[in-house]
Amino acid sequence: AQSVSQHNHHVILSEAASLELGCNYSYGGTVNLFWYVQYPGQHLQLLLKYFSGDPLVKGIKGFEAEFIKSKFSFNLRKPSVQWSDTAEYFCAVGGSQGNLIFGKGTKLSVKP
Amino acid sequence: DTGVSQNPRHKITKRGQNVTFRCDPISEHNRLYWYRQTLGQGPEFLTYFQNEAQLEKSRLLSDRFSAERPKGSFSTLEIQRTEQGDSAMYLCASSLGQGRTEAFFGQGTRLTVV
Repeated sequence: AQSVSQHNHHVILSEAASLELGCNYSYGGTVNLFWYVQYPGQHLQLLLKYFSGDPLVKGIKGFEAEFIKSKFSFNLRKPSVQWSDTAEYFCAVGGSQGNLIFGKGTKLSVKP
Repeated sequence: DTGVSQNPRHKITKRGQNVTFRCDPISEHNRLYWYRQTLGQGPEFLTYFQNEAQLEKSRLLSDRFSAERPKGSFSTLEIQRTEQGDSAMYLCASSLGQGRTEAFFGQGTRLTVV
């Protein structure tokens, strides 16, 4: 069965620091990969997605992610975080039924 | 406004009672998904509909759970004889299709069983 691992449970950064959140998935075939964000009190929103093509994917709000097939990884990055990036971040892989299989999430706290 | 609406936002119920949640997806979306999220976990897939047909159920969906989407529009999720372990956030999502399409999530219904 497909699974997703997110290595960091809680990350605390100061504003302007660089961010990298790890995500590894278990499935070795063709994968659709996603990063979702959940701001406090809000619904899950799509940050970016990878289906095929350029393994470096640009998303909203300055986020990007790199698909590395050999490492089964899809890490999320941002060069300079802002206080408003404080949120919980979920990596997900597309399941065989079109559903999403999520990791446990990483809570990001950005200190002003 | 996400476009996916869930009601109620919060529900507190006594153990053994039945509860029903409603999800109104984005109108042109033919796929509708239900997920459950507990503290410290990511959302876990429960079931999904393609139009009015329920096509897949997770092993997490015990016999006490039933979902419907009678006219291929809104959906309901009912939990019978609630247990404390049912306490969670129940999320609904909709999409235009499978695979390479984005799923849009509602804000969820938080269930507390006391």
